[in-house]
Amino acid sequence: KAGVTQTPRYLIKTRGQQVTLSCSPISGHRSVSWYQQTPGQGLQFLFEYFSETQRNKGNFPGRFSGRQFSNSRSEMNVSTLELGDSALYLCASSSGQGAPNYGYTFGSGTRLTVV
Amino acid sequence: AQSVTQLGSHVSVSEGALVLLRCNYSSSVPPYLFWYVQYPNQGLQLLLKYTSAATLVKGINGFEAEFKKSETSFHLTKPSAHMSDAAEYFCAVSAPRGNEKLTFGTGTRLTIIP
Repeated sequence: KAGVTQTPRYLIKTRGQQVTLSCSPISGHRSVSWYQQTPGQGLQFLFEYFSETQRNKGNFPGRFSGRQFSNSRSEMNVSTLELGDSALYLCASSSGQGAPNYGYTFGSGTRLTVV
Repeated sequence: AQSVTQLGSHVSVSEGALVLLRCNYSSSVPPYLFWYVQYPNQGLQLLLKYTSAATLVKGINGFEAEFKKSETSFHLTKPSAHMSDAAEYFCAVSAPRGNEKLTFGTGTRLTIIP
């Protein structure tokens, strides 16, 4: 079966712009989580959606937002981009509640560069 | 609050030698523990997970890890390193119920010397 698909793979944006990243989970998976990976801060949890509802949110400013659609596809948006937002953004899908414990499947990520 | 500490940001071993990557955890509740591997320009792949069943957990690619409550450790081992094992490895912890997220360690980059 198809894996987790993240688009685009690479993105270059200018400070102050906004960006939208997309994640299509594995078919049948209802939970989608987002993580930010940077050399300085490592892997940090952004938020998790289950059946179109945000269940949990990490410690990120309000510029970071997300949503999930009825087909479980998810998008995350970052407004007013800052240089420090340059990172690899990873999406993970899971079948159920207690998402990490059922086993995440990660996508290959979107590498965002802010210039 | 939960956290994991990975000792050694870089580990080098010779091909065929034992691989040992160290992870210690801190958790106020019985934890679930995970090891993930990341190859360049890719996402993370689950190697193995501990979910309070057997303390010795076997994973993919010949890796295994042992949960030791007395030492609060969950070290990853492989008896014989292969060139294809070169990657970055992350230890992670979650709670059996609750926050629905993984807390990751800072990662260990494994280099295999031919």
